[in-house]
Amino acid sequence: DGGITQSPKYLFRKEGQNVTLSCEQNLNHDAMYWYRQDPGQGLRLIYYSQIVNDFQKGDIAEGYSVSREKKESFPLTVTSAQKNPTAFYLCASSSRGTSFSTDTQYFGPGTRLTVL
Amino acid sequence: GQQLNQSPQSMFIQEGEDVSMNCTSSSIFNTWLWYKQEPGEGPVLLIALYKAGELTSNGRLTAQFGITRKDSFLNISASIPSDVGIYFCAGQVLIQGAQKLVFGQGTRLTINP
Repeated sequence: DGGITQSPKYLFRKEGQNVTLSCEQNLNHDAMYWYRQDPGQGLRLIYYSQIVNDFQKGDIAEGYSVSREKKESFPLTVTSAQKNPTAFYLCASSSRGTSFSTDTQYFGPGTRLTVL
Repeated sequence: GQQLNQSPQSMFIQEGEDVSMNCTSSSIFNTWLWYKQEPGEGPVLLIALYKAGELTSNGRLTAQFGITRKDSFLNISASIPSDVGIYFCAGQVLIQGAQKLVFGQGTRLTINP
C-alpha cells in the first residue's frame, strides 16, 4: 500500500535526551514536512524539504533538526534544546508538480512524544 | 505571519442535522484544503479547492473557495456519528519557492445520537 508511515506511535523521553522520530513515504513525493500539534490547536510547521539533501526551517524550528539523505525518508530529531517538546508530531509529503493540485499535502498517522 | 480564523471552535449537534463551518483570512491563498482529524491520528484530506469561486462536493460534504481567495466554508449535510472529529481548514501559498500550509485552529464536531 502507498502511504506515509511514522514510528513509533508513542514515544517517551527523559528530559535532556535527544530523540529521533521516523517518517517514511513510498508515494514518490519530492517534498516532505514536519508539523507539531498541541492540544486544541492547529498544526505548526517545524521543517520542510523540497528535495533530497536540502531542507528549510519552518515557523518553529528552534530545538529541532532534520536530515534528508533519501527521497523517501525525513527523520526529525527533537533535541534537548527544545524547551517544551511534549506534543503530537505529524509528517506530511507532497509532489512538486507544475499545478497546485499536485502539491497537496498528505499526512502520516503521527507520533505522540511525551517528556517525563 | 499569516493566520486563519476558523469558526466555530466547537459544535454540538443532533444526528441528522446539517453542519457549517468557515475560515477567513486577511491574506490571499492559492488553494484551500479541508482536513478531518480523529483522536490520535493524522489529518485526512476531505476536499481540495484550487480556483476562486469553486464549489466542490465529496458525498455529503460541500466546500467553497471564496471569490476573494481569503475565505472558505465547509458544509456537512445529514450528519452521522462517524462525522465526529476535528475539522481543519488550511490555506496553501507559495513562499520562497515552496508550497506552505497555514492551518486554522480547528472545529471540534460532537454528535448526539
